[in-house]
Amino acid sequence: GENVEQHPSTLSVQEGDSAVIKCTYSDSASNYFPWYKQELGKRPQLIIDIRSNVGEKKDQRIAVTLNKTAKHFSLHITETQPEDSAVYFCAASMGGGADGLTFGKGTHLIIQP
Amino acid sequence: NAGVTQTPKFQVLKTGQSMTLQCAQDMNHNSMYWYRQDPGMGLRLIYYSASEGTTDKGEVPNGYNVSRLNKREFSLRLESAAPSQTSVYFCASSARQGNGANVLTFGAGSRLTVL
Repeated sequence: GENVEQHPSTLSVQEGDSAVIKCTYSDSASNYFPWYKQELGKRPQLIIDIRSNVGEKKDQRIAVTLNKTAKHFSLHITETQPEDSAVYFCAASMGGGADGLTFGKGTHLIIQP
Repeated sequence: NAGVTQTPKFQVLKTGQSMTLQCAQDMNHNSMYWYRQDPGMGLRLIYYSASEGTTDKGEVPNGYNVSRLNKREFSLRLESAAPSQTSVYFCASSARQGNGANVLTFGAGSRLTVL
């Protein structure tokens, strides 16, 4: 089955700086790569996703890049703000995710004032 | 529009007891999922149901059973709870978007402790 590795497990950045979280996947058939944000005590929520036919996608301060050849994808957050503090999970799946997502173990992003 | 509702929010069990976690969605989604979340382990898929009447095992199905009661409801049962099943359980549902992706909507979670 699919295996998703996520790094780092904890990331601390100064408010206003950028943050980058990286994931690798094992199954070259995977074609859907979402990112979920989970605030403390809350449920995970989708923040951005990318399909395998696209190399980059942006939504305001967040962007995701995908390198299919190397089987890795990354989340970029620019101009970080206190409300960006959360745990971020990357995931991968085939078939758009209908049979469930395989998640990475998560990155705890801490925004230092 | 409540989205995905799961009950109970908290439960404490003794080893060997049984219980059922209930999940219901009101978004007319075809697919439903049960995940467990443990510290440092991310979210791991227990079972999923791609459509009413079908269920399939995920990554960690041992010790669990599921029932897709109808399109709205998907329950998770622990027949004989073990301390290793202490976890936070999330139910989710999804429907295919226009771009082909299945976006998961999660419930609020159920924290289960097995003593």
